[in-house]
Amino acid sequence: GAVVSQHPSWVICKSGTSVKIECRSLDFQATTMFWYRQFPKQSLMLMATSNEGSKATYEQGVEKDKFLINHASLTLSTLTVTSAHPEDSSFYICSASGGQRNQPQHFGDGTRLSIL
Amino acid sequence: AQSVAQPEDQVNVAEGNPLTVKCTYSVSGNPYLFWYVQYPNRGLQFLLKYITGDNLVKGSYGFEAEFNKSQTSFHLKKPSALVSDSALYFCAVRDMSNAGKSTFGDGTTLTVKP
Repeated sequence: GAVVSQHPSWVICKSGTSVKIECRSLDFQATTMFWYRQFPKQSLMLMATSNEGSKATYEQGVEKDKFLINHASLTLSTLTVTSAHPEDSSFYICSASGGQRNQPQHFGDGTRLSIL
Repeated sequence: AQSVAQPEDQVNVAEGNPLTVKCTYSVSGNPYLFWYVQYPNRGLQFLLKYITGDNLVKGSYGFEAEFNKSQTSFHLKKPSALVSDSALYFCAVRDMSNAGKSTFGDGTTLTVKP
């Protein structure tokens, strides 16, 4: 089946640093990638939708200068949390989708981000 | 706007018993419905989907779901629960007219006790 690789799986860093998370579709072309944030025992909160070669569309309330998304190719999207602070600590999950929208989304295994 | 409701935060069943995890939805047009499962510190895994066709959909790990248009429901079921089925389950509806975005329910934690 379709595989999405997300890296790193766990990050601990100091407040003020920037953290980059990679999301790769390994065996299909991901025309659309979604970035989610999930708080403990809660549902997924969509942060942004990115299409290859174009700017990401951010959900209301998500700071685009804080969460930089790049979708430079059909197999790679990155999320950079800039100048991270403790309140940015969370579980971030990417999801990739091919061109057919009646197909399920394929999710990475998530990145646990802890800012000290 | 589309929405998904999972009315139960928690479902507890004994191993070997049947399980049901409930989901209702609201969409304009035809629904594209999905169930996903999430294990601790992992992403979501696809279980099954309803697009068109038979109302009873079979998926991974022995799960099935029944699409009921009149009740706008898509409940997840399994005839005999396993301890290993314990996880967080999400129902989702996908909007084919809005970049394929999915709307997820709040999730239901299923606990299967031996």
